[in-house]
Amino acid sequence: QQQVKQSPQSLIVQKGGISIINCAYENTAFDYFPWYQQFPGKGPALLIAIRPDVSEKKEGRFTISFNKSAKQFSLHIMDSQPGDSATYFCAASASGGYQKVTFGTGTKLQVIP
Amino acid sequence: KAGVTQTPRYLIKTRGQQVTLSCSPISGHRSVSWYQQTPGQGLQFLFEYFSETQRNKGNFPGRFSGRQFSNSRSEMNVSTLELGDSALYLCASSPRTGGSTIYFGEGSWLTVV
Repeated sequence: QQQVKQSPQSLIVQKGGISIINCAYENTAFDYFPWYQQFPGKGPALLIAIRPDVSEKKEGRFTISFNKSAKQFSLHIMDSQPGDSATYFCAASASGGYQKVTFGTGTKLQVIP
Repeated sequence: KAGVTQTPRYLIKTRGQQVTLSCSPISGHRSVSWYQQTPGQGLQFLFEYFSETQRNKGNFPGRFSGRQFSNSRSEMNVSTLELGDSALYLCASSPRTGGSTIYFGEGSWLTVV
C-alpha cells in the first residue's frame, strides 16, 4: 500500500516533443505529490509538486496532472529540450505523520536533438 | 541560503568496516531524513530525525543507525559493511516533519570492496 508505481522506466523523446511520465498510488493518506529531477552525480532536486485539492499545476514547461479518483498523477514536459535529459522520480507523502517520502522507481528521460 | 551539505562525497571501505556519514541541513530545517539509492532498488527510506529524535525508520537492518544533534546536523552510521551496502546515501532536510518538501544534498557515494 505504500508503493508508488511509475512508468515508463525509460523514455526517448525528440527535441520539442512532449514527455509524459505516469505514476499511481494506493495509499489514500498520501496528500503531497512532488516530482524530482536527478542528473548523474547529483542529488534529486525538487521540480514541481501538487496537493490533491487541485487537478493540475503548471510551472513553465512542466505540468502535473492529478486524478484523485483514479489515484494517478503524471508529469508532462512540454517542448522537451536536451537539457531535460535526466532521471525523474515521482513521490508521495502524507502530512500529519512522519517525514517519509515514498518514491517511484524513476524514469530515465533522453531528449534527442 | 546554503543547501544540504553532505560529507564525505566519496569513500571506499572494506567489508566488515564501519562508516559514518555526515549531513548539515538547510539553516532552519529541523527534519533530516536519509535515503539509500541503488540502481536496483531506487530510493529507499532509511530514517528520519526531528528535534534529535528518530521519528520513523525504514526496512533496513540494525547495522544502519543515525543520530541528530541539537543544531539539527545529522550523522548516519553503517557497521559491519557488506558489499550490498555500496550505494549513494542521500540526506534530505525539511522545515518540518510530515508531508512537506524535502531538499536533498549531493549524496555520499559509498563503495564497499
